[in-house]
Amino acid sequence: KAGVTQTPRYLIKTRGQQVTLSCSPISGHRSVSWYQQTPGQGLQFLFEYFSETQRNKGNFPGRFSGRQFSNSRSEMNVSTLELGDSALYLCASSLTTGTDTQYFGPGTRLTVL
Amino acid sequence: AQSVTQPDIHITVSEGASLELRCNYSYGATPYLFWYVQSPGQGLQLLLKYFSGDTLVQGIKGFEAEFKRSQSSFNLRKPSVHWSDAAEYFCAYGGATNKLIFGTGTLLAVQP
Repeated sequence: KAGVTQTPRYLIKTRGQQVTLSCSPISGHRSVSWYQQTPGQGLQFLFEYFSETQRNKGNFPGRFSGRQFSNSRSEMNVSTLELGDSALYLCASSLTTGTDTQYFGPGTRLTVL
Repeated sequence: AQSVTQPDIHITVSEGASLELRCNYSYGATPYLFWYVQSPGQGLQLLLKYFSGDTLVQGIKGFEAEFKRSQSSFNLRKPSVHWSDAAEYFCAYGGATNKLIFGTGTLLAVQP
C-alpha cells in the first residue's frame, strides 16, 4: 500500500501571501490530521478531518483552515502568511477518528520570506 | 496542562551499546502511547504503540517499550544500537481523539 503523500514537498512564499498544502491519505483511511513542526514549538496539532467534517482543532488562529474531500484527500490553507508560519507541515492519516494509529507523510517544508 | 516530557534532549551512545529513551506523561486516564522516529528532513515513522494489554510492547527495528502506570512512563529501549538508529525520537500521547500530544523529542547520536 502506498503511504501518505504530501504535495508540494517544498514551498517558498512571502509575507501576506496565502498557501495551500495537499495530503493524500493511505488508501482506505478516512481520517486526516495536520501538524505543524517548528524548532521552537515542536510538534503541534492543527486539526483533524473525518468524513469531510472537522472533528478536532488545535490552538491556532483562524488563518489556518482545512478541508477534506469525499475521497478523503485533504488540503490545508494558511492565509496572510507570517514569518512565524515557516515550518514543516505534517499530515497523518488513520483508518478512523477517535484514538487510532496515525501514519505520517514526509511533510511540506514551508518557508516564509 | 496536559503534557508529555522527554527529559533528554540529546543522547550519544556507542554503536552496539544499549539504549533507553525516557518518556513521562501527565494524564490520569488510561493513555494511548506512541513512539515515532524522524530522520532529518523526513516525516515521522511509527516505531510502536501501546493501547492496552501487555505493558511490554515490541516494535520495528528491534525497539521495545514498557508502559509503567505507577511511574507514568513509557520508556523506549533497544539492546544494541546501530549507526542507522541515529535520528530524533518522539514520544506521543493520544487520548479519546486523534489529537496527538508530542514530547519535545530526543536527538540520538551514535558513535562508531
